[in-house]
Amino acid sequence: EAGVVQSPRYKIIEKKQPVAFWCNPISGHNTLYWYLQNLGQGPELLIRYENEEAVDDSQLPKDRFSAERLKGVDSTLKIQPAELGDSAVYLCASSLRTSGGRETQYFGPGTRLLVL
Amino acid sequence: GQQVMQIPQYQHVQEGEDFTTYCNSSTTLSNIQWYKQRPGGHPVFLIQLVKSGEVKKQKRLTFQFGEAKKNSSLHITATQTTDVGTYFCGAGGTSYGKLTFGQGTILTVHP
Repeated sequence: EAGVVQSPRYKIIEKKQPVAFWCNPISGHNTLYWYLQNLGQGPELLIRYENEEAVDDSQLPKDRFSAERLKGVDSTLKIQPAELGDSAVYLCASSLRTSGGRETQYFGPGTRLLVL
Repeated sequence: GQQVMQIPQYQHVQEGEDFTTYCNSSTTLSNIQWYKQRPGGHPVFLIQLVKSGEVKKQKRLTFQFGEAKKNSSLHITATQTTDVGTYFCGAGGTSYGKLTFGQGTILTVHP
């Protein structure tokens, strides 16, 4: 079974430029998450999707960040314009909601963003 | 909002010594999950605990969920160099699927 795929793996941009990250979750997983991870910190949730619906985007800085999951499968996270403080690793994760309530999040390799 | 604290932040051990990391939540949890992240890697799921007082073992790893479902621990017996990495707890609250992660415990093992 293929894991969560993310691209690009690395991105270097100048501040004020736009950037986009792509995520392909594990096949059949209806829940998709975007996290931000700063060095030495745990992942922080940006947005969570149940199928194509964003059910939790309270932590997403909506003035510059946007996300979409149009067909309930792949997802894109965009930053426009990027700021120096956005330098971090952006992790995508997916999970399958089961009737038993147990749920495992599977993380992708992440996109390491450096804003100069 | 929910706060999750993990201690210690760093732990250096000699190979063969034991290691424990603790996770404490400000609120009662629905479940807690543990992840391991190798240097340069991504978090990898280890285990999920759901029941009050639950104890689970995976070879040298022992996971516990507190009776009040507000804290958890991960204990590694006789550490090996392959145990190196950062161990995160992910605390599940009332919102299904949402995890709040602790800041992690960085484990280094000296051979």
